[in-house]
Amino acid sequence: ETGVTQSPTHLIKTRGQQVTLRCSSQSGHNTVSWYQQALGQGPQFIFQYYREEENGRGNFPPRFSGLQFPNYSSELNVNALELDDSALYLCASSLDGGVEQYFGPGTRLTVT
Amino acid sequence: GIQVEQSPPDLILQEGANSTLRCNFSDSVNNLQWFHQNPWGQLINLFYIPSGTKQNGRLSATTVATERYSLLYISSSQTTDSGVYFCAVLNAGKSTFGDGTTLTVKP
Repeated sequence: ETGVTQSPTHLIKTRGQQVTLRCSSQSGHNTVSWYQQALGQGPQFIFQYYREEENGRGNFPPRFSGLQFPNYSSELNVNALELDDSALYLCASSLDGGVEQYFGPGTRLTVT
Repeated sequence: GIQVEQSPPDLILQEGANSTLRCNFSDSVNNLQWFHQNPWGQLINLFYIPSGTKQNGRLSATTVATERYSLLYISSSQTTDSGVYFCAVLNAGKSTFGDGTTLTVKP
């Protein structure tokens, strides 16, 4: 059984740029959720994808968007990066809507 | 939206001591999970526990859904237990995490 993987591990971007983060779900899982974790805080829910459709969204602006592919891997895209977007981005996979989630190791994004 | 509160925010223990971490939530939930976040940021599943009691070695958890709280017990703590412990609840398709309890176990 393959666990959840994320790429890249670390990323440095400049304010105003765009970034794409990637997540491969655990084998057998059809749901991927994305979270943003700022330093010293708990993860904040961005959105969830279930069978290639957005299935729920947190309080994040439209410049945060995503995709889920037929193999259930997923991308998180952030446009017009702001300094406050600097954070650890986590993805979690689960079966059928997120009853029990398993997390990847995260991507640490720094915006300068 | 649902509020999740964890207490205490920080906890310092001597190796071998026992501890209880608490998670309160403001509305009914479909599920609840406890996680341990290691120093590298990886969230490790401890328990999926929407109700009842579960045990795994030195760790156990109890969720009383009707009273909207969950407890995580750590017995005979070890230095490797150090880190941040989060509870997360699922309500109306959205997951909400508490702000965590930072546990430091001293040798």
